[in-house]
Formats: sequence, C-alpha cells, structure tokens
Amino acid sequence: AQSVTQLDSQVPVFEEAPVELRCNYSSSVSVYLFWYVQYPNQGLQLLLKYLSGSTLVKGINGFEAEFNKSQTSFHLRKPSVHISDTAEYFCAVGYTGFQKLVFGTGTRLLVSP
Amino acid sequence: GAGVSQSPSNKVTEKGKDVELRCDPISGHTALYWYRQSLGQGLEFLIYFQGNSAPDKSGLPSDRFSAERTGGSVSTLTIQRTQQEDSAVYLCASSPTLSYNEQFFGPGTRLTVL
Repeated sequence: AQSVTQLDSQVPVFEEAPVELRCNYSSSVSVYLFWYVQYPNQGLQLLLKYLSGSTLVKGINGFEAEFNKSQTSFHLRKPSVHISDTAEYFCAVGYTGFQKLVFGTGTRLLVSP
Repeated sequence: GAGVSQSPSNKVTEKGKDVELRCDPISGHTALYWYRQSLGQGLEFLIYFQGNSAPDKSGLPSDRFSAERTGGSVSTLTIQRTQQEDSAVYLCASSPTLSYNEQFFGPGTRLTVL
C-alpha cells in the first residue's frame, strides 16, 4: 500500500538552531516527492519538490531536502530556523501511474526564542 | 495572478443536511483535486478531475459524497445527509497538467456538522 510516514508529530526548536523533519515513504520503483508548508489559517504552499536529477533539492525560505532511494526517505532540513518558520509541514509522495498525492500526517514545527 | 479560491470559507450545518462546496481553480489548469484534512490527520485524497471527467473517484468515503466539474473550470463537492464525521477542512488544488508538477492549493472550506 502507498503510505507516507512522518514520525514526529511535533518538533520544538529554538530560534537559529538547525532542524530536520523526517519523512519516509513506502517503496516504489518511481516516486515524486514534495514538501508543503501550512501556516495557521492558510492553505498549503509548496516548499520544494523532487522529480528527478540531483538528490539534494533546495527550496524556498532556506529549506532543503535529500532524496535517499535506499532508505526511502526525503527528510527536510534547515540550518537555522526563524520564529516565522513555525507552521505545519507535510511530506507528500506521488507514485507513478497515480495522479493523487499521498500525504503524511504532518509535523508541527514550533520555533521559540 | 489569482490563485485557487474556495467558497464558503466556513460552513456550519446540521446533521442530515446537504452541503455544497465550491472550488475555482487557477485559470488554464486542467487538473483539479479534492482532499479532506481532518483534525490530527494528513490530507486524504477524495477525487481528481482531468477536464470535466473524473478518472479516479477512489477516495470518496461513501455514496453520500459526489463531485462534478463543468466547463473544465469550477468544481462542486456535494455531501448529502451530512454526518458529524464529515467535519473537516476540505481542500481543493489544481495543476496545469496531469504531470507530476506542483499542485496549487486553495485556502480550504472548514465544514462543521453539528
């Protein structure tokens, strides 16, 4: 079955500290990977995506993610977070042959001063 | 340019009533998707459209749920005889094609069934 796992429901971190949000997905021959961010009372906004090519993907707001096929992971990282990064982050996977995206349950990033 | 818009932004209804949720995709986007976001859950796929046809309705939870799209643009998600478990945020997204590109999301409709 197609599934996406975000093990951490909530990640508290201090401002200017590094952060990693984990995402693992069920294995498939070909996948397309996305990270979306949802700020309070807003819709989802794309942070970054992996379709093919370099496994290290850079996105907006200083975020980056690395596609690891052997580990079936696509972890999101930022070297130094800001208060404004406080939001819900969703990992999503597209499987070849299926148009829908399969989403994880989300990770709430809480950045405190 | 204008993004995906959804109406209403909030809807409170009584159990057993029918509701209609509307989505206006980005102009020119041929693919349109409906998702449901329940409290503490990720996004659950409901249905997608390519043009006016819906090749994949596999995510619709029951026959009380239906959706249509007219003119390759506006889509309406209808929930008949609403139940309390239907309470959720219903999100609509659109993309230029069916290729694996970004889906652009609307702000959602928060449905509360009393």
